[in-house]
Amino acid sequence: EVQLVESGGGVVRPGGSLRLSCAASGFTFDDYGMSWIRQAPGKGLEWVSRINWNGGGIGYSDSVKGRFTISRDNAKNSLYLQMNSLRAEDTALYYCARMTPANWFDPWGQGTLVTVSS
Amino acid sequence: DIVMTQSPDSLAVSLGERATINCKSSQTVLYSSNNKNYLAWYQQKPGQPPQLLIYWASTRESGVPDRFSGSGSGTDFTLTISSLQAEDVALYYCQQYFDTPYTFGQGTKLEIK
Repeated sequence: EVQLVESGGGVVRPGGSLRLSCAASGFTFDDYGMSWIRQAPGKGLEWVSRINWNGGGIGYSDSVKGRFTISRDNAKNSLYLQMNSLRAEDTALYYCARMTPANWFDPWGQGTLVTVSS
Repeated sequence: DIVMTQSPDSLAVSLGERATINCKSSQTVLYSSNNKNYLAWYQQKPGQPPQLLIYWASTRESGVPDRFSGSGSGTDFTLTISSLQAEDVALYYCQQYFDTPYTFGQGTKLEIK
């Protein structure tokens, strides 16, 4: 069974940093690109970042560019999101999702909650 | 960026009746070289992550009931549930994967009338 389990969320002050992790299992991790997608409380879905199977093809939404860094460790079947200079508007449930070759998302993890508040 | 706009924002349909959700993109998501529409639909039930229903605008994901169907091309798309079941109460999102940033519609909340 394909599983994605996010961790690393929590409460952080504005300007602070947090590192999210996503542990993958049940599939050959280094065959797939991966993305982070977030959902603010009671709001819709916003794609945040993507990375190809080999660590290339990195992209970010304008809202996080220059502040967030995506990376992966294929030996550990893990995806990461380093989040710096956090703002209140970054408060959201952060999902990791596997990307198909054509770039839709399937499946998604359960998410990890990031709250930016003073 | 490609803006995705869904209508309506919410919808109440009687059990067994048809539900129709629309999605419009600000520019075409039809790739001319392969004649494929880069459009997916997701279902999100309360407290759960989104789940893929349909990709390439009209291809049902394995395991998705055949009462769900997708149609449309270019900039206008529709998700249809032919006979609403109680378990279909959820939020529904369209998403374009034609270009980055990948963008979603604002969501449509489907309820039972």
